[in-house]
Amino acid sequence: DAGVIQSPRHEVTEMGQEVTLRCKPISGHNSLFWYRQTMMRGLELLIYFNNNVPIDDSGMPEDRFSAKMPNASFSTLKIQPSEPRDSAVYFCASSPAAGDRVFQRFFGQGTRLTVV
Amino acid sequence: RKEVEQDPGPFNVPEGATVAFNCTYSNSASQSFFWYRQDCRKEPKLLMSVYSSGNEDGRFTAQLNRASQYISLLIRDSKLSDSATYLCVVNKKAAGNKLTFGGGTRVLVKP
Repeated sequence: DAGVIQSPRHEVTEMGQEVTLRCKPISGHNSLFWYRQTMMRGLELLIYFNNNVPIDDSGMPEDRFSAKMPNASFSTLKIQPSEPRDSAVYFCASSPAAGDRVFQRFFGQGTRLTVV
Repeated sequence: RKEVEQDPGPFNVPEGATVAFNCTYSNSASQSFFWYRQDCRKEPKLLMSVYSSGNEDGRFTAQLNRASQYISLLIRDSKLSDSATYLCVVNKKAAGNKLTFGGGTRVLVKP
């Protein structure tokens, strides 16, 4: 079975440019999560969706960040304009919305973003 | 104070030895607990859930102490492949299915 698929795997961009990260969750999973990981702050939840609806975006750092989930098989995280402090690894994860695996996160391989 | 705190390590462990480390959580309403493993430059993966009575999975033993608000992970007969960062993860019932991740404990197993 295919796991969570993220693209691109690496992104280097100049400050001020728009960055779009993409995620395809595991088929049948109803919940999708975007995380950011840095050495200083660890793994932080940015936003999560249940059934394509944003449930909690309290972790989104500021208005430069936005996320969408237009359908059950695709989500994007956009940063516009990007800044050097946005450099991090961004993970997408999915999980079933119910059942005994509801608390298990299936992570993608991450997008390593560098803003110069 | 962070919700979930871990000693960042590294814990340097001779191959074959036993290593144990803890994670403390600040919210007494926390109800579900997990250990995730993250290899260098890879994504986190679930290692095991932590049950109230404690549980084992092969060489790994997890314990929960609700009175003192900590969970522990013990690795017996350490293998070189156990070298990784171990993330403590906590869920509060009021948070729905949101999880809070600790900063991780790095373990290095050496020959």
